[in-house]
Amino acid sequence: AQSVAQPEDQVNVAEGNPLTVKCTYSVSGNPYLFWYVQYPNRGLQFLLKYITGDNLVKGSYGFEAEFNKSQTSFHLKKPSALVSDSALYFCAVRERSSGNTPLVFGKGTRLSVIA
Amino acid sequence: EAGVTQFPSHSVIEKGQTVTLRCDPISGHDNLYWYRRVMGKEIKFLLHFVKESKQDESGMPNNRFLAERTGGTYSTLKVQPAELEDSGVYFCASRLGQGRAANTGELFFGEGSRLTVL
Repeated sequence: AQSVAQPEDQVNVAEGNPLTVKCTYSVSGNPYLFWYVQYPNRGLQFLLKYITGDNLVKGSYGFEAEFNKSQTSFHLKKPSALVSDSALYFCAVRERSSGNTPLVFGKGTRLSVIA
Repeated sequence: EAGVTQFPSHSVIEKGQTVTLRCDPISGHDNLYWYRRVMGKEIKFLLHFVKESKQDESGMPNNRFLAERTGGTYSTLKVQPAELEDSGVYFCASRLGQGRAANTGELFFGEGSRLTVL
């Protein structure tokens, strides 16, 4: 079975500091990995994905994530946080060989960037 | 281009009543998904349509939930009768494509329908 763990319910960071939102996954084979963001009163928006190739993936709004197969992790990072980055972040996984199966999401991590 | 739209944005009903949620996917998107998030928990998969056919309904909690997608366009999710544990935010998402494009492509989400059962 596929699963995603986001170990932190809340991450607080000062504006201008680097941020990391953690994600680990479990699949039988190789994964497709995604990050989505939900701003207040909005739907989930796609941020970035890892499909294959370079382990460092760059996405929207200056975010990036690094796929680490040995640690089964896909942590989301940004070098310098903005107050406007404050939102709910979801990591998701789908096993590569699983056909057209749905994305499996984590429980989300609330990021709060303090000015 | 219009995004995924959901109606209502918020519904408050009494236990035992019926509620119908509606989702209009992005035009031309064959794949339509329903997900639910209970406060503080994972976003859980409910079911997946490809056009008007149910591809996967393994996440539907029980037979009080009925989803339809007539004509392969909009979809409805009916809860009848509603129970307290049905409270949460119901998200609809759509995606274009089949095969590898379907597996690697991102989902486009609506803003969700918040259901509160009292």
